[in-house]
Formats: sequence, C-alpha cells, structure tokens
Amino acid sequence: QKEVEQDPGPLSVPEGAIVSLNCTYSNSAFQYFMWYRQYSRKGPELLMYTYSSGNKEDGRFTAQVDKSSKYISLFIRDSQPSDSATYLCAMSVSSGTYKYIFGTGTRLKVLA
Amino acid sequence: NAGVTQTPKFRILKIGQSMTLQCAQDMNHNYMYWYRQDPGMGLKLIYYSVGAGITDKGEVPNGYNVSRSTTEDFPLRLELAAPSQTSVYFCASSPMTGGYEQYFGPGTRLTVT
Repeated sequence: QKEVEQDPGPLSVPEGAIVSLNCTYSNSAFQYFMWYRQYSRKGPELLMYTYSSGNKEDGRFTAQVDKSSKYISLFIRDSQPSDSATYLCAMSVSSGTYKYIFGTGTRLKVLA
Repeated sequence: NAGVTQTPKFRILKIGQSMTLQCAQDMNHNYMYWYRQDPGMGLKLIYYSVGAGITDKGEVPNGYNVSRSTTEDFPLRLELAAPSQTSVYFCASSPMTGGYEQYFGPGTRLTVT
C-alpha cells in the first residue's frame, strides 16, 4: 500500500463548478499537509499548507484535514479555466525531517 | 527575487554521457532538495542538503551525486547516464524542513537515448 493515494483523474468540470480533490494516507504520524498546483511543464507551486486537523481557507480554495479518517481534501469554488492543472498533495511527519511524501497528482480540467 | 532557478530547461544525453544539472536559490534557505518526477509516479527524492557542506541520500540516489559548497547552489551530477534516468528533475528549497513549505524550480526535462 502506498503511503499516499491520490486519484490521477483527469477530472473535467464546467466553469463555475465546485471541485473536490482528495488524498488518503496510511501513516497516522503525518502532521503537516500541503497542496501544490502544477501547470503543464512547470514546477509545483504551493497553494495551501495546513498543520494537523481542521480547515483553512484562502480565497476560492479551502483545505480540509480529517486525521481520524486519514483523508485530506482541497475544494475549489467557482472554478476557472485557469485552474486547469495537476494538483499534488504532500505531507510530512514533523519538523526536522527531510521526508515529504507526495501523491501522484490529480489532473483537473475546467471547461469554459 | 528569482526564487529557485534551474538550468538547463531541456537536455538530451546519450547513454554513458555525464552532465550536471544546476540549481540556485536566492531566498537564503538552508534546505535544498532534488526530486525526479516520472509519469504517474509522483515526486521521488534523490538527494537533499541541510546546509553548505552537508548532503544526504533520499529514496532514489543511485546514479546521481550532489555537492553543496554554498547556501545558494546545489548541483546534481549524473554519471554514466542510463535510459532509466529519463525524467523531469526538480530542485526545491525550504527555510526549514518537515513542517515547512517547499519552493520548486521550473524543472529540467532530461532524455537519455
């Protein structure tokens, strides 16, 4: 079993839709959770960063962590064609470790 | 402030050739990382560094070497290139590690034939 599982997609939605992207993980020691957006042929860029459980909102983006279910989500409201990209989740155990575990990424297409 | 820069953007190597992928950051980050990204496989850590003069292996270090003589630069050396090293290589940096976000460069797309 992979430490982090992420549906590769592609996920196609109409413009304006609410998008839900998810990752599940097996290591209950993960405490830090990140979402990266990666446009085609570009490097990943950090979108959201959360510690432990709960929600964090930034504009149209909301990151949610449910440690009891080992499940994290990224919600995108009022999706735009410019949101079309691959979204990677990443997580780490604690400060002081080099080890970040990345999901394989979900490819999202927002259709105009 | 350029962030993390990588050169070259693209490279084609013949089997057995060697090359160095360059990475530099201007954010004064202590931690730097090299990843490779293969289709459907996510990002795999090759090497990382916690500061000038200190490097260590990640998950997939075979066939690669690194050095870190300054805080800013973290080159990745490929010796005796093999087709299995065809991949996209990303350099990243972070102010600390573990609980801190990483900043990525634009990547180097390498093909070994």
